[in-house]
Amino acid sequence: EAEVAQSPRYKITEKSQAVAFWCDPISGHATLYWYRQILGQGPELLVQFQDESVVDDSQLPKDRFSAERLKGVDSTLKIQPAELGDSAMYLCASSSDREDTGELFFGEGSRLTVL
Amino acid sequence: AQSVTQPDIHITVSEGASLELRCNYSYGATPYLFWYVQSPGQGLQLLLKYFSGDTLVQGIKGFEAEFKRSQSSFNLRKPSVQWSDTAEYFCAVKDSGGYQKVTFGIGTKLQVIP
Repeated sequence: EAEVAQSPRYKITEKSQAVAFWCDPISGHATLYWYRQILGQGPELLVQFQDESVVDDSQLPKDRFSAERLKGVDSTLKIQPAELGDSAMYLCASSSDREDTGELFFGEGSRLTVL
Repeated sequence: AQSVTQPDIHITVSEGASLELRCNYSYGATPYLFWYVQSPGQGLQLLLKYFSGDTLVQGIKGFEAEFKRSQSSFNLRKPSVQWSDTAEYFCAVKDSGGYQKVTFGIGTKLQVIP
């Protein structure tokens, strides 16, 4: 069964350092999402792509976060510089546009710890 | 803006007991509604979804949910829980049409005890 791939699974970094996460969605899924999940909370949408275009980045802290999906397939989320409050699980998800169902398929996530 | 409320942060039930997890949403029209489950350290898996039609929907792992428009609710139920159901459960809502985002509730942590 096709899956959303994410790496790394775990990342420990010191504050002020740069960190990057990678996501490869299910083949053929045009929509890709990055969510941040702080411990004890629900996922919060950071950015949503339709192919290579950003359709929603209203909650992305643009002073330190950036996201790209250059060829409309895989995507990278970057944080520079990392802050203590960025410690969280970063979840990537994708969905098909053949049906407007909104069903998201999630990867296993990348857990970030900022020291 | 759409929102989701899950009033129960943590629930403990005995194995074999029935379960109901509450979810209320705030949205003007009829939204798309979802329940996802997350095991510790893992991503989210879809349990079930509602778009239209029959207000009682069946999902995987023996779960079901009922959409009640008058109460703006979409509660998740299971007649008899198993220890393996221990996980966190998230209710989510999406605006129908277009590339609208999916909004998640804060989640309910379920602990099933033997």
